[in-house]
Amino acid sequence: DIQLTQSPSSLSASIGDSVTITCRASQIISSYLNWYQQKPGKAPTLLIYVASNLQSGVPSRFSGSGSGTDFTLTIRSLQPEDFATYYCQQSFSFPRTFGGGTKLEI
Amino acid sequence: EVQVVESGGGLVRPGGSLRLSCAASGFTFSSYSMNWIRQAPGKGLEWVSTISSGNTYIYYGDSVKGRFTISRDDAKNSLYLQMNSLRGEDTAVYFCARGSGTTSLNFDHWGQGVLVTVSS
Repeated sequence: DIQLTQSPSSLSASIGDSVTITCRASQIISSYLNWYQQKPGKAPTLLIYVASNLQSGVPSRFSGSGSGTDFTLTIRSLQPEDFATYYCQQSFSFPRTFGGGTKLEI
Repeated sequence: EVQVVESGGGLVRPGGSLRLSCAASGFTFSSYSMNWIRQAPGKGLEWVSTISSGNTYIYYGDSVKGRFTISRDDAKNSLYLQMNSLRGEDTAVYFCARGSGTTSLNFDHWGQGVLVTVSS
């Protein structure tokens, strides 16, 4: 199974800051990496697919990059609604796997 | 508007069974792969199962293989998860999610989730 390691597991930032979350895969997964945002008590929502493609309706301050084994999610100019938990997920092979999550706190 | 709505959760004893349902609307259900993903209390996301459009491909996570069965009824725009031999570690919120592409390259629309509690 492909393991995804996210770092950091938690992150404190302020409104207006930029932050970067990383996701490392245990083997090469090309660009088959997605990012999700989850707020407490809510379902996750898709932010970025195939490493760098912004899902419809997602603000442009979110961006993704990477290929192979190393990927990043960057959020520029943090807004209050961005404080949430973020997960990466690979779709290179089954079983589909998620990273452990990064909790972004004020 | 794309919507998926789960139902069927509840409290069940260890070793028992439960069937989850997911009602879909706002898209051509038969053309999409569908998925179950779960989240234990306070924990991260765990993919459970995927069924492709046309039932061509079905996949399960190792932790549920042999105990859970995913199915779909395209005439009813519905997805199901039959869960047997339930264990305490199956306690989680179960999400139904639409998949992008034949093998769910991503999960682009999620339901609100339904809680399954396995306890005596």
